[in-house]
Formats: sequence, C-alpha cells, structure tokens
Amino acid sequence: GAVVSQHPSRVICKSGTSVKIECRSLDFQATTMFWYRQFPKQSLMLMATSNEGSKATYEQGVEKDKFLINHASLTLSTLTVTSAHPEDSSFYICSASGGGYNEQFFGPGTRLTVL
Amino acid sequence: QKEVEQNSGPLSVPEGAIASLNCTYSDRGSQSFFWYRQYSGKSPELIMSIYSNGDKEDGRFTAQLNKASQYVSLLIRDSQPSDSATYLCAVNERTGFQKLVFGTGTRLLVSP
Repeated sequence: GAVVSQHPSRVICKSGTSVKIECRSLDFQATTMFWYRQFPKQSLMLMATSNEGSKATYEQGVEKDKFLINHASLTLSTLTVTSAHPEDSSFYICSASGGGYNEQFFGPGTRLTVL
Repeated sequence: QKEVEQNSGPLSVPEGAIASLNCTYSDRGSQSFFWYRQYSGKSPELIMSIYSNGDKEDGRFTAQLNKASQYVSLLIRDSQPSDSATYLCAVNERTGFQKLVFGTGTRLLVSP
C-alpha cells in the first residue's frame, strides 16, 4: 500500500513555457500533499504544502505565482511551473500523507529540464 | 530554527558488517521520526518510522530513538552493496500538517 505516482517522469521544455506535473495517491486518500525540489547533490527542499480543497502554503522564498499548486481531490495534486526558465531545471518530487498514514510517501519524481 | 543534523559521510562498511547511521534533532517536542533511503537520481523511499523511545526492528533494519538525548539512529545489519545510498533522517514539525524537517543525509557505501 501507500503508493504515490507522478507524471511525467521527465520533461524537457523551452524557456518561457509552462509545465504541469501531476501527483496521485493510488491506494489511499491523501489529505496532505507536499512538493519538494532537489538540485543535484543537494538536500530536499520543501516548496509547499497543500491540503485538499485549500490553498497551498508556500515556504519562504518560493514564488506562489510561479509555482501554482492545486489539490482538487484527495488523490490528486498538480504543480504547474509557469514561464519556466533554465534555473527552474531540477528534480521535482511530491509526497503524500493522510488516510490513516502518519508517514509521507514519495512519488518517483519528475526531472525537469528547461532549455 | 528546527534542525536535523547528520554526518554527510561517506560511511564506508564492508559487506556483511553493521552500518550505524546517526541523527540529532533540535526540537524537543518532536514526536515522529523517520528514516528514508534515497538512491542516486531517485526519490526517497521510507524505510522506518519510530515514535517511542527504544528500538524498533524491521528485517535487517533497527531504528533507535532516545528523546531525552534528542537522538535517533538506524542500524543496518548484514549490509549489502545494494544498501549503498543516501539515508535521510526526518523529524516531524509540529505544524499540524505533518511537515518534515530533513537532515542533509548520510551517504553509505557498502563494499563487496
């Protein structure tokens, strides 16, 4: 149990385009989903926390107008990177908790490359 | 500021040995503690969770928690080369949203 999926696993886009990443909890209802970013050889950095039906809470320094998060259901959260630039290239990972689980379960991640 | 400290390593152990990974945390009120394993280029995978003082065993893994010393550790018995990865210690932040504070991770290398 406790499986989280992400789509796409890898995306390459041109500078200025927007990219949407989906995160799904496959076998439990995730009341809370988290979005992280990880640059090569660096630690996980929490970007935002989202609760189903509520606005996301962003960490300090994360632009909420650039990283749009929607948590429309208990099994789906999306992260949209708007007007992506090369410096947004990173490994984006979601995690989910809830549905009786205290732990956070991570999706497989999405590797974004902005040309 | 809440912090979780880990030695970055690498911790090198021979195959079959016990690997001991350590973590300290600053928030005395933390209640939930987790160990994740992260292979290079992959996302973290939950290995163990522990909530009470003492030891918790799961297969080759044993998590140890000492809240008085604000210390949590992970022992890996009979280490295998496939255990070579970065191990992340995570502690809950008492916000009500189950946010985790992660350590920077300890890189473990198990040599055949």
